[in-house]
Amino acid sequence: QVQLVQSGAEVQKPGASVKVSCKASRYTFTDYYIHWVRQAPGQGLEWLGRIDPDSGGTNSAQKFQGRVTMTRDTSITTAYMELSSLRSDDTAVYYCARWTGHLGLDYWGQGTLVTVSS
Amino acid sequence: QSVLTQPPSVSGAPGQRVTISCTGSSSNIGAGSDVHWYQQLPGTAPKLLIYGSNNRPSGVPDRFSGSKSGTSASLAITGLQAEDEADYYCQSYDRSSPYVFGTGTKVTVL
Repeated sequence: QVQLVQSGAEVQKPGASVKVSCKASRYTFTDYYIHWVRQAPGQGLEWLGRIDPDSGGTNSAQKFQGRVTMTRDTSITTAYMELSSLRSDDTAVYYCARWTGHLGLDYWGQGTLVTVSS
Repeated sequence: QSVLTQPPSVSGAPGQRVTISCTGSSSNIGAGSDVHWYQQLPGTAPKLLIYGSNNRPSGVPDRFSGSKSGTSASLAITGLQAEDEADYYCQSYDRSSPYVFGTGTKVTVL
């Protein structure tokens, strides 16, 4: 069974950065894009961006351009999402998910709560 | 604000049929983009429910079905069950984003 296991909850101060990891297993890591989606408390899903684990190429939502950095380490089949210049409204659960093209986001990580508070 | 609009809530009694709409525009659904649907049970990660507008992944009951017409898509749940109480999101592609989610719909089983 495909697994995406994310790093634990984080508490950061405004202006700081946070880096969330997403460890993939039981499939060929470089065959599928990894997407990052967040959900603020009581709110809907918001797409942040995606990374091609094979090439390292990324695309991000215009809203987050300049603040989000997505990377990967193929040797340990792990994708990372770093969000900088954190604000209180960045408080959310951040998910990674595997993209299968026309088949949607078929596997999701368990989510990582990022709390931004002074 | 999302470019895909869903009703905030729908409800139905056990056994009934409910539908959730996902209204887009000519820059997303109307442009022929795939529509996917996700179910999110309370406190859990979203789960893929329908892909490519009307296909079910293995393990998803056949009482869930999807359709698409023009600039809108719909998710239907027939034979509503208590375990279907959850939030549902549509997702498609848009020239502006490119990946966008709907505003989300809470399904309540009465």
